[in-house]
Amino acid sequence: AQKITQTQPGMFVQEKEAVTLDCTYDTSDPSYGLFWYKQPSSGEMIFLIYQGSYDQQNATEGRYSLNFQKARKSANLVISASQLGDSAMYFCAMRSNQAGTALIFGKGTTLSVSS
Amino acid sequence: DTAVSQTPKYLVTQMGNDKSIKCEQNLGHDTMYWYKQDSKKFLKIMFSYNNKELIINETVPNRFSPKSPDKAHLNLHINSLELGDSAVYFCASSQYRDGYTFGSGTRLTVV
Repeated sequence: AQKITQTQPGMFVQEKEAVTLDCTYDTSDPSYGLFWYKQPSSGEMIFLIYQGSYDQQNATEGRYSLNFQKARKSANLVISASQLGDSAMYFCAMRSNQAGTALIFGKGTTLSVSS
Repeated sequence: DTAVSQTPKYLVTQMGNDKSIKCEQNLGHDTMYWYKQDSKKFLKIMFSYNNKELIINETVPNRFSPKSPDKAHLNLHINSLELGDSAVYFCASSQYRDGYTFGSGTRLTVV
């Protein structure tokens, strides 16, 4: 069965520091994609970063990078130089052929950035 | 132009009523979805449509019926609303190799 696990219900970080949000996944499909989304208090789902299972390099998008460790089945999100506006809920999600094309989500991590 | 738009944004209704939520995407994506986000913020897939055909129908009460008149639209009709249906419902669309684009959500409150 496919599953996404986010074990950190809440994380706290100070401005300008880096933070890592953990995500582990389970799938028997050799082809899959991993996504991170941000959901601020306003409620919209904002796409952050994507990593394909066959991608050789870790994905990066501005201050976001994905630490992809395939053997460990982990896809941690690293946010560098945190900003107050990064305070939000963060979801890790996976697409694999076993679930059609739908994304399967983890339970999310609430990130709080303080000044 | 909003890529995935859903209406209404807020919906407050009484138990037992029937209501619909509309979703439209202008991205040309082939696949559309409905997700339910519960009070604990957990997002769960409800339905997936590809080119107007149902692909995924998760364990959802049959009071929920999706309808896709064309590949740009996926509406969600809910009959005999119950208190437990209160949630935020997200529409999304995707195309292979593209990401997934979500609508802004519909907050349904059943009283």
